[in-house]
Amino acid sequence: DSGVTQTPKHLITATGQRVTLRCSPRSGDLSVYWYQQSLDQGLQFLIQYYNGEERAKGNILERFSAQQFPDLHSELNLSSLELGDSALYFCASSERLARNEQFFGPGTRLTVL
Amino acid sequence: AQTVTQSQPEMSVQEAETVTLSCTYDTSESDYYLFWYKQPPSRQMILVIRQEAYKQQNATENRFSVNFQKAAKSFSLKISDSQLGDAAMYFCAYRSELGNNNDMRFGAGTRLTVKP
Repeated sequence: DSGVTQTPKHLITATGQRVTLRCSPRSGDLSVYWYQQSLDQGLQFLIQYYNGEERAKGNILERFSAQQFPDLHSELNLSSLELGDSALYFCASSERLARNEQFFGPGTRLTVL
Repeated sequence: AQTVTQSQPEMSVQEAETVTLSCTYDTSESDYYLFWYKQPPSRQMILVIRQEAYKQQNATENRFSVNFQKAAKSFSLKISDSQLGDAAMYFCAYRSELGNNNDMRFGAGTRLTVKP
């Protein structure tokens, strides 16, 4: 158990819909990262938050957005969903310094039908 | 931009034997961190080993060790005495020390099969 929690574990929805994925980082971690892993692919970095502020953006679509709340949990919002958005979405957290590893949550598997 | 390349989509090893997974990366930075993560069928990402670029000594964690060649930008993972539980996808990852870009850059992964 990494200490990072993600809900829900599975999500099935239809094209055009909007969903919200939730992540709670490890206790004490201020940085939260979101990654997308499509079938049999590597992980693509989407976005990073540090202590409530956006820090870095990767290959995140305009239809996607995220935020980190004062209690440090984070939400990833995916809207106008397309079939190609079906993937495993990971949240990871870490301490401030880059040398520290990122601890990954169990992921949310999103299926868009 | 930093890129990570894993040139072996699949590898297999006999139980109790040794296998080496390859990883190369491209960067202009001098300070960075390299990681190997394991993703078993459960899909959980598990850190296997970490290497700081400023350290010449290769990192070792029990049966797992790395061969870090900074000049060649190579970071291979050696698994000794392979066990059935080592079967998984293995991802090499790069993390910058600088600025705000300290997200992980992952390779495409190597699927390791362990044969009994």
